[in-house]
Amino acid sequence: SAVISQKPSRDICQRGTSLTIQCQVDSQVTMMFWYRQQPGQSLTLIATANQGSEATYESGFVIDKFPISRPNLTFSTLTVSNMSPEDSSIYLCSVRMDEGGYGYTFGSGTRLTVV
Amino acid sequence: ILNVEQSPQSLHVQEGDSTNFTCSFPSSNFYALHWYRWETAKSPEALFVMTLNGDEKKKGRISATLNTKEGYSYLYIKGSQPEDSATYLCAFSNDYKLSFGAGTTVTVRA
Repeated sequence: SAVISQKPSRDICQRGTSLTIQCQVDSQVTMMFWYRQQPGQSLTLIATANQGSEATYESGFVIDKFPISRPNLTFSTLTVSNMSPEDSSIYLCSVRMDEGGYGYTFGSGTRLTVV
Repeated sequence: ILNVEQSPQSLHVQEGDSTNFTCSFPSSNFYALHWYRWETAKSPEALFVMTLNGDEKKKGRISATLNTKEGYSYLYIKGSQPEDSATYLCAFSNDYKLSFGAGTTVTVRA
């Protein structure tokens, strides 16, 4: 299975600023996903990062707030823009390992606290 | 948004005891049911992927069952050990997206 390096592992940020989270995969993957887990809540899909095109966002998430880049098949970034305390969450990237299969691998997460 | 529920939210188990907890999910348009084990500051670790009604999977002391007709899965831990302490997540997929439950946090007391 793939190995994902996610950075940073944690950060404390001031409200109104932005943070960019990076995920590097050790192999080429087609499908890459970004999730958020707010305190006490489920892991929720933010968007699917598409190589060479705009990300596909889930209901309740918008590009202006969570811009995503996917310049190639091994790398993606998620930016949390104009942060507020409600953005304090764990952010995870994930990849699907095989087309039509069932295997997903996750990064180790970014624990974000907005003060 | 697909409603995936896990129960209980948390539980405490004495070392050596066995325990189990549930995941309920929509029974229509079923593709797969996933179980993950997630420790703080680590990546969620895949335990099982189950696709067929009646599936039973086992990995060491941990096992899982699947009932797609009624929309539930059980995860069992036999002879709990302190290293089993973690949050156990289930996730339902009906295409390439995963919908997660909020998790069951297991604490094993020595």
